[in-house]
Amino acid sequence: SAVISQKPSRDICQRGTSLTIQCQVDSQVTMMFWYRQQPGQSLTLIATANQGSEATYESGFVIDKFPISRPNLTFSTLTVSNMSPEDSSIYLCSVGNRGTEAFFGQGTRLTVV
Amino acid sequence: DQQVKQNSPSLSVQEGRISILNCDYTNSMFDYFLWYKKYPAEGPTFLISISSIKDKNEDGRFTVFLNKSAKHLSLHIVPSQPGDSAVYFCAAVSNTGKLIFGQGTTLQVKP
Repeated sequence: SAVISQKPSRDICQRGTSLTIQCQVDSQVTMMFWYRQQPGQSLTLIATANQGSEATYESGFVIDKFPISRPNLTFSTLTVSNMSPEDSSIYLCSVGNRGTEAFFGQGTRLTVV
Repeated sequence: DQQVKQNSPSLSVQEGRISILNCDYTNSMFDYFLWYKKYPAEGPTFLISISSIKDKNEDGRFTVFLNKSAKHLSLHIVPSQPGDSAVYFCAAVSNTGKLIFGQGTTLQVKP
């Protein structure tokens, strides 16, 4: 198992601004994942954060909107850029091998006004 | 297109009774499925999984059933307890190893 600390836990932001979410894991992991859960929707994978290389983005998500950093094997950040109300969601980081059980942070509830 | 669907957004049951949460999928290539539980202000936590080579997996009060021909799985909780009240997500593992989640079902267990 892994203990994942994510912050902030929630924020209310003005449209047009950016927010950086941090994810800290208590052990070294190869891959970290960022998900979004829009209201009433399922969890959707945004990207896979790879240490030492650029993140791999899923269809519909781009680096300019969701830049990701992965400076080491225990830490990653996701930035939500130039926010609009449609970005209001819960953002979650996750670790675990693909195809097996994943462990999640507590999530960041973002409201854009 | 929604490859994993949980058609019931909510379910309410009495304490001590059985809770049955359902999940349908469209891709017959999915061969591993998981259930997660999520409390408010917390991230999802892994509950139970099942491989497509099985049709049932049991862990204490939780049992997952898989019907491959119907592309349907269900999570049974018996007996249900008030602490089971949460949002339950089913997820399938794609052929690239990615987790594909359903929309979630909110379970309320009444004392």
